[in-house]
Amino acid sequence: SQTIHQWPATLVQPVGSPLSLECTVEGTSNPNLYWYRQAAGRGLQLLFYSVGIGQISSEVPQNLSASRPQDRQFILSSKKLLLSDSGFYLCAWTIPGDGQYFGPGTRLTVT
Amino acid sequence: AQSVTQLDSQVPVFEEAPVELRCNYSSSVSVYLFWYVQYPNQGLQLLLKYLSGSTLVKGINGFEAEFNKSQTSFHLRKPSVHISDTAEYFCAVSESRGYNQGGKLIFGQGTELSVKP
Repeated sequence: SQTIHQWPATLVQPVGSPLSLECTVEGTSNPNLYWYRQAAGRGLQLLFYSVGIGQISSEVPQNLSASRPQDRQFILSSKKLLLSDSGFYLCAWTIPGDGQYFGPGTRLTVT
Repeated sequence: AQSVTQLDSQVPVFEEAPVELRCNYSSSVSVYLFWYVQYPNQGLQLLLKYLSGSTLVKGINGFEAEFNKSQTSFHLRKPSVHISDTAEYFCAVSESRGYNQGGKLIFGQGTELSVKP
């Protein structure tokens, strides 16, 4: 069966510091991968998606970036965090004809 | 382009009562439809999905939903709720042939279900 991992689970970072969040999927090949952000009390905002290694599409211009160095690895990064980057970050995957399956999330607090 | 509207932001209900969470969508192409549940500080869990076939879809935890193409709706129902059903529920839509364009989901803003004893 497929599983999706995210780490870290929680993170507190000062403004201006770098960020790296990692997501890995097990038990499937060539999935589409997604990064979402969920601000407190709000819905989900799609940040990036990837249909293959090295292929990244950005949905919202911002100071975040994403990379997919391996088939089942998806990384969300920032060089300098802003206060507005605080939120709950969710990674998800899908295969053709199915829904998206979400990881447990990373709670990021920028102070 | 697709859009999703969840008609109720909050739904309070007593334990063992029936509940319906409403979802309407807009799309010019055929779609897949989904309901997700999110418990506090957790990721989203897929409750059920409509891809094709029978318009009545049964999911986990006793939930079901009915796809109504003429009314462009996909309402979620449960005949008798439990305290443990208290959570945020999200309706989502994607193009049925959009996988190679990213297979992106469009989410509603969520409905907070609060089950009271």
